[in-house]
Amino acid sequence: DTGVSQNPRHKITKRGQNVTFRCDPISEHNRLYWYRQTLGQGPEFLTYFQNEAQLEKSRLLSDRFSAERPKGSFSTLEIQRTEQGDSAMYLCASRQGNEQFFGPGTRLTVL
Amino acid sequence: GQNIDQPTEMTATEGAIVQINCTYQTSGFNGLFWYQQHAGEAPTFLSYNVLDGLEEKGRFSSFLSRSKGYSYLLLKELQMKDSASYLCAVARGDRLAFGKGNQVVVIP
Repeated sequence: DTGVSQNPRHKITKRGQNVTFRCDPISEHNRLYWYRQTLGQGPEFLTYFQNEAQLEKSRLLSDRFSAERPKGSFSTLEIQRTEQGDSAMYLCASRQGNEQFFGPGTRLTVL
Repeated sequence: GQNIDQPTEMTATEGAIVQINCTYQTSGFNGLFWYQQHAGEAPTFLSYNVLDGLEEKGRFSSFLSRSKGYSYLLLKELQMKDSASYLCAVARGDRLAFGKGNQVVVIP
């Protein structure tokens, strides 16, 4: 257990539905990252926050994806109108210094 | 952008030594990380190199050559629990770009 928690751990949804995931980072870490990982691939960067400010977004993050970190603590990642290609593991990481600590991930399956 | 290359899979015997290589091309470089990932679990940090040379941490060592765009992770005295995927990640600014990972299978 790294101290980063994510909920839910698993989510199954039908195509076209909206889903929201939550990440609770290690409390004193001010940087929070979202990644997506598919089978046989390494994690792909989606976006990151420093405190409540969203500083960078990947081109992978289409308009259907939005992330927030309203109080600089927990973060949410919402996917609207899910597509089957969104099926993946969504990983959150928080960082202090050089090391990023990953949460257990939320596995999304879109039917 | 980044281009990170790792071999895909290797098998080794318990007690042996394995070396996992990573080559990269990047327009910016803020360090190179190695992570271990067991199936269905999150990646866990193993090592960080930002300067050329060898960093040793217990049974794991990591080497970096910035001029060659090359790193390796050395696993000594392999144990069954070392069966996992080993991910190389290049830091560019504040983001990490990961390779596909190298699956290591340890057999008795």
